[in-house]
Amino acid sequence: AQKITQTQPGMFVQEKEAVTLDCTYDTSDPSYGLFWYKQPSSGEMIFLIYQGSYDQQNATEGRYSLNFQKARKSANLVISASQLGDSAMYFCAMRLYAGGTSYGKLTFGQGTILTVHP
Amino acid sequence: DAGVTQSPTHLIKTRGQQVTLRCSPKSGHDTVSWYQQALGQGPQFIFQYYEEEERQRGNFPDRFSGHQFPNYSSELNVNALLLGDSALYLCASSLAVNEQYFGPGTRLTVT
Repeated sequence: AQKITQTQPGMFVQEKEAVTLDCTYDTSDPSYGLFWYKQPSSGEMIFLIYQGSYDQQNATEGRYSLNFQKARKSANLVISASQLGDSAMYFCAMRLYAGGTSYGKLTFGQGTILTVHP
Repeated sequence: DAGVTQSPTHLIKTRGQQVTLRCSPKSGHDTVSWYQQALGQGPQFIFQYYEEEERQRGNFPDRFSGHQFPNYSSELNVNALLLGDSALYLCASSLAVNEQYFGPGTRLTVT
């Protein structure tokens, strides 16, 4: 079984500053992928970034980077230079690749609401 | 290139009724997954379809069923609706292991 924990119900950041959203995961499987999504009030889940468990380097996508610490089982999302449009709910999710399959479901955390202040 | 599309956007049903939600995956994507998201919660996996067969299922009762068509589009059917079925229903499609793209969702209200 897998579990994702996001311990920050809400976070506040000043515009143009960086913010880190925490995510820890629990699995005994060595092969997995970690995803971050942004969900604005409209409801659509927007894919931000992906990290595979065997990836040697931390993933980066523009202003988003993933601080992957495998031994600590954490996959924190770092947003640099926050913008007002970054205000949204953010979800961390995990997919297992047990047995070599690649179609595992995504298991989501409870989410963190990020508010960016001008 | 169109992303994942879902219809309808909003739906209001009465307890005991049946509902069908529709999803068209991103172009070229052959795998479709459905999720239920209650207010203030993370999405919960319902099931996944590949090559017109249900490949994996979450902890949802048999009232939840689905279908995938040869063009990879999919339907989610819910029978005997309960008030607790009120939620945002999200469809997601993927082709590779490192991706899963979501549609805008269908907001279902059961009264």
